[in-house]
Amino acid sequence: GAVVSQHPSRVICKSGTSVKIECRSLDFQATTMFWYRQFPKQSLMLMATSNEGSKATYEQGVEKDKFLINHASLTLSTLTVTSAHPEDSSFYICSGLPGLAGFEQYFGPGTRLTVT
Amino acid sequence: DQQVKQNSPSLSVQEGRISILNCDYTNSMFDYFLWYKKYPAEGPTFLISISSIKDKNEDGRFTVFLNKSAKHLSLHIVPSQPGDSAVYFCAASAHQGAQKLVFGQGTRLTINP
Repeated sequence: GAVVSQHPSRVICKSGTSVKIECRSLDFQATTMFWYRQFPKQSLMLMATSNEGSKATYEQGVEKDKFLINHASLTLSTLTVTSAHPEDSSFYICSGLPGLAGFEQYFGPGTRLTVT
Repeated sequence: DQQVKQNSPSLSVQEGRISILNCDYTNSMFDYFLWYKKYPAEGPTFLISISSIKDKNEDGRFTVFLNKSAKHLSLHIVPSQPGDSAVYFCAASAHQGAQKLVFGQGTRLTINP
């Protein structure tokens, strides 16, 4: 149980375009989803916390107008990277939190974004 | 400000032996700790967790030890198997922290046959 999917797994886009990444909890309802990015050989850095039906909470230093997060249902959150630049190239991972209590986040397989 | 630190970027262990991965934290508000395993180009997989009210939690080959006074936790894997080769992240959360996880830098574990 506790499976999270992400789509697409890889995406290449041109500088200046926007890219949408979907995160779905397949067998549980996630009132809270999280978005992380990971640079090579580095840790996972939390970008934002997404709560169903409300605005996302962004971590310090993360531009909310650049990384648009929508959590429209209990099983789907989307991250849109707007006006992408090469420095946005990274590995983006989402996670879902089953239930309102507990701390075990279940992660998706990640999306490799390359901006050319 | 690295609140969760894994000071060993890599560890090499012989198959069948014990693997010990270490993690230190600085924030005394952390009260829940987790270990995740990650393969390249995949998301982390939850392994085991421990609450601050305990000092040990065991699940099969995996045991996590917590020393609150030292702000230190460790993951023991015994016996180590080739499939255990991966990057291991420890993560911490504060009950008052909106269930956010703070991750360490990771330790790459290699199990040698």
